[in-house]
Amino acid sequence: QKEVEQNSGPLSVPEGAIASLNCTYSDRVSQSFFWYRQYSGKSPELIMSIYSNGDKEDGRFTAQLNKASQYVSLLIRDSQPSDSATYLCAVNDYKLSFGAGTTVTVRA
Amino acid sequence: KAGVTQTPRYLIKTRGQQVTLSCSPISGHRSVSWYQQTPGQGLQFLFEYFSETQRNKGNFPGRFSGRQFSNSRSEMNVSTLELGDSALYLCASSQESGTLSEQYFGPGTRLTVT
Repeated sequence: QKEVEQNSGPLSVPEGAIASLNCTYSDRVSQSFFWYRQYSGKSPELIMSIYSNGDKEDGRFTAQLNKASQYVSLLIRDSQPSDSATYLCAVNDYKLSFGAGTTVTVRA
Repeated sequence: KAGVTQTPRYLIKTRGQQVTLSCSPISGHRSVSWYQQTPGQGLQFLFEYFSETQRNKGNFPGRFSGRQFSNSRSEMNVSTLELGDSALYLCASSQESGTLSEQYFGPGTRLTVT
């Protein structure tokens, strides 16, 4: 079983809609979780970090963490064409373990 | 504040050769981690250096090695290159080592082995 799994894409959403990205992880003792955005041909960019159960909001992004269910998600509200990218979920257990990524396309 | 820088940005090498990649972390960051990204395997952890010491190592053969200097700059070396080493090599820096640290990536070095 892979350490970090993300919902398979690609995910296509209309402009202005909510994009919902999901991620599960296998290690119960994991403490820190991150979402990175990677545009084609570019390196990953950190967009959210979350350490405690519940929601964390930053602009149009909301990360949700449920440690009991070993689940972390990312919501992108009011999706824009510039949000079209691959989103990577990562768990830090003294190293970052990444999911395979979910490619999001926001159609105008 | 300047971001993470990596040199060179692109490299073409021949099988059997060796290569050295360089990474300069964000000013004040003391931890540098290296990752390999390929279409088939995704992003995989190579190793982490903190205060000139290797803290963690991923599941890569001994041909992959690294080091960190007193100014926190880091180098990664791959010896006896194989075709499968073609990948984007990314370094990431963080202020401290540990599970709570946020890591920021550099632009990467695209290595092609022919």
